[in-house]
Amino acid sequence: DAGVTQSPTHLIKTRGQQVTLRCSPKSGHDTVSWYQQALGQGPQFIFQYYEEEERQRGNFPDRFSGHQFPNYSSELNVNALLLGDSALYLCASSFSSSVQGYTGELFFGEGSRLTVL
Amino acid sequence: GQQVMQIPQYQHVQEGEDFTTYCNSSTTLSNIQWYKQRPGGHPVFLIQLVKSGEVKKQKRLTFQFGEAKKNSSLHITATQTTDVGTYFCAGQVDSNYQLIWGAGTKLIIKP
Repeated sequence: DAGVTQSPTHLIKTRGQQVTLRCSPKSGHDTVSWYQQALGQGPQFIFQYYEEEERQRGNFPDRFSGHQFPNYSSELNVNALLLGDSALYLCASSFSSSVQGYTGELFFGEGSRLTVL
Repeated sequence: GQQVMQIPQYQHVQEGEDFTTYCNSSTTLSNIQWYKQRPGGHPVFLIQLVKSGEVKKQKRLTFQFGEAKKNSSLHITATQTTDVGTYFCAGQVDSNYQLIWGAGTKLIIKP
């Protein structure tokens, strides 16, 4: 049973470029959350996708957008890259409980390390 | 905004000594989760606490959730080299799907 897979694992971009990161959730999971983790910091919530819609968004600008596909996989897009966007981008999958607003255990992928020059 | 403060930032211990990390939230949490991240790795779920005053144990690890559901702690007894990593707490507020993460406590075993 494959866990959460992310691609690419590493990438280097220059300021102003655009990037797309991909995530396949753990089998049986229907919810995907994206996090940004700067070096030495805790993960920062970007947004969460459920039923192909953005269910909740953190404090990130509109340059950050996403998508969830019918097979539950997800993409994170970042436009007009800034130096400060350099970070580890983590995808976490989970199974949505019938309890409204409940967030259960998150399973993380290995992450995509983005360097912006 | 809502914040979860986690202390200390680092803790250096001799192998066999105990380790404790503390989290404090500015608001009441509906639940709190704990994760471990090994160097170069990704966060791995350890436990979730939901009830006020809850205490859970996993072998040498003891997790507590405060009575007011605004603070939590993780205590490791007799640390081993396999315990090395950064321990994060992550809290959920009300029915907000977002988890608010502490900055983590890095456990370092002195040589």
